Amino acid sequence: DSGVTQTPKHLITATGQRVTLRCSPRSGDLSVYWYQQSLDQGLQFLIHYYNGEERAKGNILERFSAQQFPDLHSELNLSSLELGDSALYFCASGASGTDTQYFGPGTRLTVL
Amino acid sequence: DAKTTQPTSMDCAEGRAANLPCNHSTISGNEYVYWYRQIHSQGPQYIIHGLKNNETNEMASLIITEDRKSSTLILPHATLRDTAVYYCIVRVSYNTDKLIFGTGTRLQVFP
Repeated sequence: DSGVTQTPKHLITATGQRVTLRCSPRSGDLSVYWYQQSLDQGLQFLIHYYNGEERAKGNILERFSAQQFPDLHSELNLSSLELGDSALYFCASGASGTDTQYFGPGTRLTVL
Repeated sequence: DAKTTQPTSMDCAEGRAANLPCNHSTISGNEYVYWYRQIHSQGPQYIIHGLKNNETNEMASLIITEDRKSSTLILPHATLRDTAVYYCIVRVSYNTDKLIFGTGTRLQVFP
């Protein structure tokens, strides 16, 4: 158990819909990272937040957005969903001053 | 971050040592070698990292060649639960930036 929690574990929705994925980092970790893992793309970095502020963006679509709240939990919002958005979405957290990332169990999103 | 090359897949008998190689010939002097693994769609798990000296922890050992152009992750007594995809990642230490995952090595431990 990494100490990072993600909800929900599974999510099934239809094209065009909007969903929110939630991540709670390890206690004390200020950084939250989001990654997407699809069958054909492997693990891809989406976005990094540190103590509430966006630090870096990867190949994140404009339909996707994220935020980190004062209690340090983070949400990833996916809108206008397409079939190709079906994937595993992982959240990772990291402590300030270290470079090890601890991953949550992921949310499996299925878009029908 | 330097690019890494890993074999696509490897097999290992249970109880034997699993030696997973990684080539990183363009590694820079300030870049570390990190290993993560992913067990069947679970979240990736940190294993170990090192700069130039060999490192050991409760999970594995990391052997880095003297020229630092390659390294080997050693699981001393592989179990069925070690079946996973193993990723070798090279990055600057204390870089809190993203992890760049390649395709990794799929290790299959068999009874």
